[in-house]
Amino acid sequence: SQKIEQNSEALNIQEGKTATLTCNYTNYSPAYLQWYRQDPGRGPVFLLLIRENEKEKRKERLKVTFDTTLKQSLFHITASQPADSATYLCALELSGGSYIPTFGRGTSLIVHP
Amino acid sequence: SQTIHQWPATLVQPVGSPLSLECTVEGTSNPNLYWYRQAAGRGLQLLFYSVGIGQISSEVPQNLSASRPQDRQFILSSKKLLLSDSGFYLCAWSTINSPLHFGNGTRLTVT
Repeated sequence: SQKIEQNSEALNIQEGKTATLTCNYTNYSPAYLQWYRQDPGRGPVFLLLIRENEKEKRKERLKVTFDTTLKQSLFHITASQPADSATYLCALELSGGSYIPTFGRGTSLIVHP
Repeated sequence: SQTIHQWPATLVQPVGSPLSLECTVEGTSNPNLYWYRQAAGRGLQLLFYSVGIGQISSEVPQNLSASRPQDRQFILSSKKLLLSDSGFYLCAWSTINSPLHFGNGTRLTVT
């Protein structure tokens, strides 16, 4: 069956360090992969989208990589700040599919000052 | 610019009571509309999606239903709530090849 895995344990890092979150998937052929941020009690907010033919995407302090051979995406936040503390969700859509993303459970990031 | 409104923000309902959650989108035409549920510590579970007025697809069999009476209005309903219906309900919209844009959700507690 199709599956998306994100580390269920919270990631604790010190302010200023680079946070790296992982999204692994099985049995998908995603046309693209998305990353969202979710704060407690709020809806997810879209951050970045990376397509299957792209290896890397950047936006300010954010960087996403997409390895379709490893079936893995890495999400990096450089120079992390306490305000980056949130849950980060990855979502996948199938190639030529219904454009409906399936979400992972998310990883909580806690940046300590 | 596009906005999405979802209400109410919180709701406490007794078991067996009806439910109606409303979501409206502004600033875009013919959006795809979605209802997700997020249980505590769980991922986002897609409940319903709609690609047009009156077109509803259900992903999970349950005692919930959805309707799209207007292009930018999406309603989630139940005739009789169960305890297991408690959760965080999120409405979202998108267009083809665009990411999802979520509302701020409704926290439903069934007592």
